[in-house]
Amino acid sequence: EVQLVESGGGLVQPGGSLRLSCVVSGFTFSSYEMNWVRQAPGKGLEWISFIDGSGTSPYYADSVRGRFTISREITKNSLYLQMNGLRADDTAVYFCSSAITVSGLFYWGQGALVTVSS
Amino acid sequence: DIQMTQSPSTLSASVGDRVTITCRASQTIDTWLAWYQQKPGKAPKLLIYKASALKSGVPSRFSGSGSGTEFTLTISSLQPDDFGNYYCQQYTTYWTFGQGTKVEIK
Repeated sequence: EVQLVESGGGLVQPGGSLRLSCVVSGFTFSSYEMNWVRQAPGKGLEWISFIDGSGTSPYYADSVRGRFTISREITKNSLYLQMNGLRADDTAVYFCSSAITVSGLFYWGQGALVTVSS
Repeated sequence: DIQMTQSPSTLSASVGDRVTITCRASQTIDTWLAWYQQKPGKAPKLLIYKASALKSGVPSRFSGSGSGTEFTLTISSLQPDDFGNYYCQQYTTYWTFGQGTKVEIK
């Protein structure tokens, strides 16, 4: 069974940092691209970051570029999102998602809530 | 960046109605398009990929069509469990989502 489990969410003050983790199981981690998608309260889905199977080609949405860093650790079947310089508009549920897009394989975690507030 | 424009933003329909949601891409994406259903507090659930391929286990009342820049999701006979938000997603160049369609049951 495919599982993606996010952790590391919580309450942080503006300007602070947080690292999200996503542990995966049930598939060959290195074969899948990984993405982070967030959803602000009452809003739609916003893609924010991508990393390829080897972990060598990260990419970011303009809204987080320069503040967030995506990485993956193959030996731990883990994906990370280091978030620095957090702002109130970063408040959202953060989902990790794995994909082999050419095969139509998309899997999602349950989400981790990040709240940025003083 | 590729923009995805989804319409309508909200629709209210009765059980048994045929429902159609449209999605337009700002540039051609061939058929690299997926449709998701999302219920409150849950992760998105994949319904359709490659514009028209039904994910295994998804009811056959859901169907997708289109290519290039114009796409549609159709629910042939709306059921009570179909309430929720629906999103299109392009995945030809990273990912972009439409703004969503809220489906309400009358």
